[in-house]
Amino acid sequence: GAVVSQHPSWVICKSGTSVKIECRSLDFQATTMFWYRQFPKQSLMLMATSNEGSKATYEQGVEKDKFLINHASLTLSTLTVTSAHPEDSSFYICSARTSAINEQFFGPGTRLTVL
Amino acid sequence: DAKTTQPTSMDCAEGRAANLPCNHSTISGNEYVYWYRQIHSQGPQYIIHGLKNNETNEMASLIITEDRKSSTLILPHATLRDTAVYYCIAKIQGAQKLVFGQGTRLTINP
Repeated sequence: GAVVSQHPSWVICKSGTSVKIECRSLDFQATTMFWYRQFPKQSLMLMATSNEGSKATYEQGVEKDKFLINHASLTLSTLTVTSAHPEDSSFYICSARTSAINEQFFGPGTRLTVL
Repeated sequence: DAKTTQPTSMDCAEGRAANLPCNHSTISGNEYVYWYRQIHSQGPQYIIHGLKNNETNEMASLIITEDRKSSTLILPHATLRDTAVYYCIAKIQGAQKLVFGQGTRLTINP
């Protein structure tokens, strides 16, 4: 149980375009979802926390207008990287938790490459 | 959350026990020790967590010192598939955020 999926698993886009990444909890209802970013050879950095039906809480230094997060249902959260630039190229990972289980379950990640 | 300190890298022979240390000298009484691992280009995977008693599951054992200032994750019979970065995190159980440090890059050698 507790499976989290992400789509797409990888994406290549041109500079200036927007990219949407989906995160789904497949067999549980996620009251909270998290988005992380990971640059090569670095650790995961939390970008934002989103609770279903409310606005996301962004970590310091993360631009909320650039990284749009929507958590419209208990099984789906989306991260949209707007006007992507090469420096946004990274591995984006989501995780989900439910209040019934005090654990975070991670998705497989999405590798974004901006040309 | 208490800061944790781990060695940058470790090597272990296949079939042997891998013992990964973690120092958390400033851990507070209500913080648990969590272990996750991340295999290359994948999302992190939960391994085990504990408060003060030693814990064991199908993946690993967690040994926490009596003063709770350090712990050791033990993979009893390491395989090549255990090659990953292992993260030790101190967290209040109900807290939402996980703060990842740099972790230990464990390499299992044939």
